[in-house]
This record gives sequence, structure tokens and C-alpha cells, in this order.
Amino acid sequence: GAVVSQHPSRVICKSGTSVKIECRSLDFQATTMFWYRQFPKQSLMLMATSNEGSKATYEQGVEKDKFLINHASLTLSTLTVTSAHPEDSSFYICSAHLIVGEKLFFGSGTQLSVL
Amino acid sequence: KQEVTQIPAALSVPEGENLVLNCSFTDSAIYNLQWFRQDPGKGLTSLLLIQSSQREQTSGRLNASLDKSSGRSTLYIAASQPGDSATYLCAVTGANSKLTFGKGITLSVRP
Repeated sequence: GAVVSQHPSRVICKSGTSVKIECRSLDFQATTMFWYRQFPKQSLMLMATSNEGSKATYEQGVEKDKFLINHASLTLSTLTVTSAHPEDSSFYICSAHLIVGEKLFFGSGTQLSVL
Repeated sequence: KQEVTQIPAALSVPEGENLVLNCSFTDSAIYNLQWFRQDPGKGLTSLLLIQSSQREQTSGRLNASLDKSSGRSTLYIAASQPGDSATYLCAVTGANSKLTFGKGITLSVRP
């Protein structure tokens, strides 16, 4: 089946630093990828839709200057958490459709801990 | 605004038991519904996808049903095993192609 690779799986950083998370579709091309955030025992919340070659579409309440998304190729989307603070500590997951409207394939997630 | 509810939040059963996980959603105008499995600290694995025109899907010991008009879906797990222990999330795709997730049901199957 389709594979979505997400890296790194875990990152610990100091407050004020920026962290980049990569999401790759390994065996298919994804014009659209999705970035989610998940707090413990909570549901996944869609942060933004990453569109290849154009600007990402952010959900209401998500700061686009805080969470920078770049989708420069059909197989790679990156999420950069800029000037991270402890409240940004969360589990971030990306996903992509193999075929639009069909199953979503998810990366393995990135646990971000900001000290 | 679509809301997806999964109750209870946690469930513990003995091995071998057949069980049903419930999911309800408020807006019946959905494109499809998916059930996912999430292991601790991991991403999601899609288990079953039911298109809005379908009523159920089966994969191995799993069977998912969809009653769109009443806003309900169930995931049936037959002959549960300790390896089935995980969090099960349901999510609906709306007309805007966005997924709305429930909070999940954490299942523990006791040997």
C-alpha cells in the first residue's frame, strides 16, 4: 500500500527555536497533503491543507506565520514551527490521499516537546 | 459544523469477546466515513472506508456499518485479541473534503 514517511518522529527543543517536520509520499505523488495536530486523548485537528506549488490553506485559528508550510514538490511537504513555545508541544501528523476521496494514508507522526 | 462523537472513551474486554464500537456524527452530508487505528505515539492506519452510498465494509475480523440518515456508524470486531488493543478513531469526510475526527475509543483486550 501507499506509504507516507514523516521525519523526525520525536524532537525536543528549547523555547524560541524553530523545528522543521518533513512529510514524504514514498511511492506516489500527492498534490495535496494535510497537517494535523493532536493533544493527548483528543481528536486530530486539521491545521492546514498543503497544496503543491501554491500557498497552504490554513484552518481558522491556526497562525500561518507560526506554522509555515511548504509543498515544493509532489512528494514532499514540510511544516516549520517557528519560535516554538511550550504550548506548541503536541503530536503532529501529516497525511495524503493516494486517490482523492479514497483512503487517507498517514505518517507516523512527530512528537514535539518544547522546553 | 460537523461533530463526531465516540462513546465510551475507553473500553476493556476479555480476549475472545465480540465487540462493537460506536461513532455518531451530526451532519449527514458526508462523502465517506473511515475507521482508523492508532497505537500509542504512532500515526494512524486506515482500517475501513465506507462511501456515503454504501452501508457496510468488511475486512477480516472487522466489519463497519454506516447509517448516514441517522448519523451513526459501528465498528464490529469479532473474536478480539490482545493485539487489537489500540485507540480506534472514526472520521467523516465532508463536502469540503476535510476530515472531522472523533476523540477515539481506547480499547484494551485482556489476555
